[in-house]
Amino acid sequence: GQQVMQIPQYQHVQEGEDFTTYCNSSTTLSNIQWYKQRPGGHPVFLIQLVKSGEVKKQKRLTFQFGEAKKNSSLHITATQTTDVGTYFCAHPGNTNAGKSTFGDGTTLTVKP
Amino acid sequence: NAGVTQTPKFQVLKTGQSMTLQCAQDMNHNSMYWYRQDPGMGLRLIYYSASEGTTDKGEVPNGYNVSRLNKREFSLRLESAAPSQTSVYFCASSFLRGSYEQYFGPGTRLTVT
Repeated sequence: GQQVMQIPQYQHVQEGEDFTTYCNSSTTLSNIQWYKQRPGGHPVFLIQLVKSGEVKKQKRLTFQFGEAKKNSSLHITATQTTDVGTYFCAHPGNTNAGKSTFGDGTTLTVKP
Repeated sequence: NAGVTQTPKFQVLKTGQSMTLQCAQDMNHNSMYWYRQDPGMGLRLIYYSASEGTTDKGEVPNGYNVSRLNKREFSLRLESAAPSQTSVYFCASSFLRGSYEQYFGPGTRLTVT
């Protein structure tokens, strides 16, 4: 299936700094999803992007889908300790089963 | 709504023992999934069920079997547990169409000694 690669694997920031994680594919993606997993918790859906060049915002989080639909990014402005966790991108496969391929995730730690 | 529930939350097995992980959802979703997550790793799909009565292999199916008992329930069985199966197991569900947004259960932390 289609692979999605995430970078960086880990990111340590000081509270108040910005954070960005990137998701890249070698092939065109129909859409891209983002999930957040708190330490010890389970993944929780954040958002889905469908259109080329799409930008969506959720408070301090900004999600972008590339013009070529081969990459996506999640940017957090002025991180807070509540932002800690692992952020995954995911791409639903080409079947109609809704089966998604997940990236390996970016783990964010925030130093107060 | 309880969402996606999983039992047990924790389990310790000895090599060669068998067990079944239970998963149920009350959101009337068509599709259900089983993932494993190893420390510091992403989610790897073990098996999925697009609809009641169908199951398909995912990325890492070896050593596992599944049963889609009805629309609500999807179980994962380890017939002969191995230390390599020590992991956190997540069940998830989604609608068959639309956004395919997946809802995850709280996970089962399995240790095989």
